[in-house]
Amino acid sequence: QQQVKQSPQSLIVQKGGISIINCAYENTAFDYFPWYQQFPGKGPALLIAIRPDVSEKKEGRFTISFNKSAKQFSLHIMDSQPGDSATYFCAASPGGSQGNLIFGKGTKLSVKP
Amino acid sequence: EAGVTQFPSHSVIEKGQTVTLRCDPISGHDNLYWYRRVMGKEIKFLLHFVKESKQDESGMPNNRFLAERTGGTYSTLKVQPAELEDSGVYFCASSQDYRQGGYEQYFGPGTRLTVT
Repeated sequence: QQQVKQSPQSLIVQKGGISIINCAYENTAFDYFPWYQQFPGKGPALLIAIRPDVSEKKEGRFTISFNKSAKQFSLHIMDSQPGDSATYFCAASPGGSQGNLIFGKGTKLSVKP
Repeated sequence: EAGVTQFPSHSVIEKGQTVTLRCDPISGHDNLYWYRRVMGKEIKFLLHFVKESKQDESGMPNNRFLAERTGGTYSTLKVQPAELEDSGVYFCASSQDYRQGGYEQYFGPGTRLTVT
C-alpha cells in the first residue's frame, strides 16, 4: 500500500516553463511534507518543506502548495531551467523532520533548452 | 563540512553471501537513518538511530538485516545471507537533534547493492 502517491512519473518541460508535480496522501497524522531533488549519482537533497498549518511556501523559483482538506500537495517550479533536470521526490512524515520519511515514487523532470 | 559518506559505492555479491554497508554521518549528528530504494519502487525507510540506540526499526524487512551504530558515530548495515530481492540502492541520512536546531535529513550518495 503506497502511502504517498506521486504523479506524473516523468515530465518534459521547455526552458522557461512551469513544472508541476503532485502528491497525495492518506494518513492525517503526517505533519511534515518535504520535497527532495536528486541528481544522478547523488543522494536526495532537501529542496523545500512545508507543515500542514501553512497553505503555501515559496523559496525562489520553487513553491509548495498544500491542501489539507484534499490531502494533496504539489511542487511548482517557475521559469524551469535545464539545470533543474533531476528526479524529484515528495515525502511525508508523522514525526516532523526527525521522523521517518515516507516517499513518493519520484518524478523524472527533463527541461529542454 | 563533509557530508554523509557511504562505503562502498557499489557492491556485487552472490545470493547467500554477506555484505556490510557503512555510513559515516555528518559530525555531531545524533540522528542516523537507513533507507532503501528497490528498482522502480519508492525510497523506503529501514530504521532510525538516535546516537547508539535504535529509535525506530519498523522498516527493517526481516532478520537477515542487522544494523549497528556502536559509539553513536558511524553505522553499519549487514545483510546475511543476501537474497535477490535485496538488490537496490541503500541510502543513509543524518540530522541534528531538533533541540540543536536540527531540521533537515542530509542524505549520502547511496550504496548500490546487486545480488546475483
